[in-house]
Amino acid sequence: EVQLVESGGGLVKPGGSLRLSCAASAFSFSIYSMNWVRQAPGKGLEWVSSISSAGTYKYYADSVKGRFTISRDNAKNSVYLQMNSLRAEDTAMYYCARGGILRWGQGTLVTVSS
Amino acid sequence: DIQMTQSPSSLSASVGDRVTITCQASQDIRNALNWYQQKPGKAPNLLIYDASDLETGVPSRFSGGGSGTDFTFTINSVQPEDIATYYCQQYDDFPYTFGQGTKLEIK
Repeated sequence: EVQLVESGGGLVKPGGSLRLSCAASAFSFSIYSMNWVRQAPGKGLEWVSSISSAGTYKYYADSVKGRFTISRDNAKNSVYLQMNSLRAEDTAMYYCARGGILRWGQGTLVTVSS
Repeated sequence: DIQMTQSPSSLSASVGDRVTITCQASQDIRNALNWYQQKPGKAPNLLIYDASDLETGVPSRFSGGGSGTDFTFTINSVQPEDIATYYCQQYDDFPYTFGQGTKLEIK
């Protein structure tokens, strides 16, 4: 069974930074693309970013382009999301998910507030 | 970007009813369409992938169909534990996009 465990969320002031981590287990991490998807309180799902299996290709939603950076370490079976210049509208549960057919972690909550 | 139009936004059903949700893509996405169930306070859970394939362990009362731009998701014989919000998602192209969600309530 796919296991994905997110960490790194928390309360941050507008303009601040956070780095989210996702630790994967129980599958061959290095052969899958990985994603971050978020969900603002009471809202629907929004894809944020994807990274290819080797880390060569990276994709971002327009809403985070230039502020967020996705990366991965296949030796550590982990994917990361560096979030800079955070805004109130970035407040959401952030989920790590595997592949285009998404299998999900349990999420980590990011709150941007002064 | 590929827009996913999902309907209805909410529906109310009795236990044992059959319910259908539709999802329309703004362009041809072949069969690159998944369906997820999200219960309150929980992460989404994959039910159907590639438009019509049932994820392992998911009850057979859930099914999906369609290809190209028009897709359906059906629950045959709704059960009380099916109370949730359901989302479609395309992965034919980036950015991946989701439908707006359908909230299922039990009468």
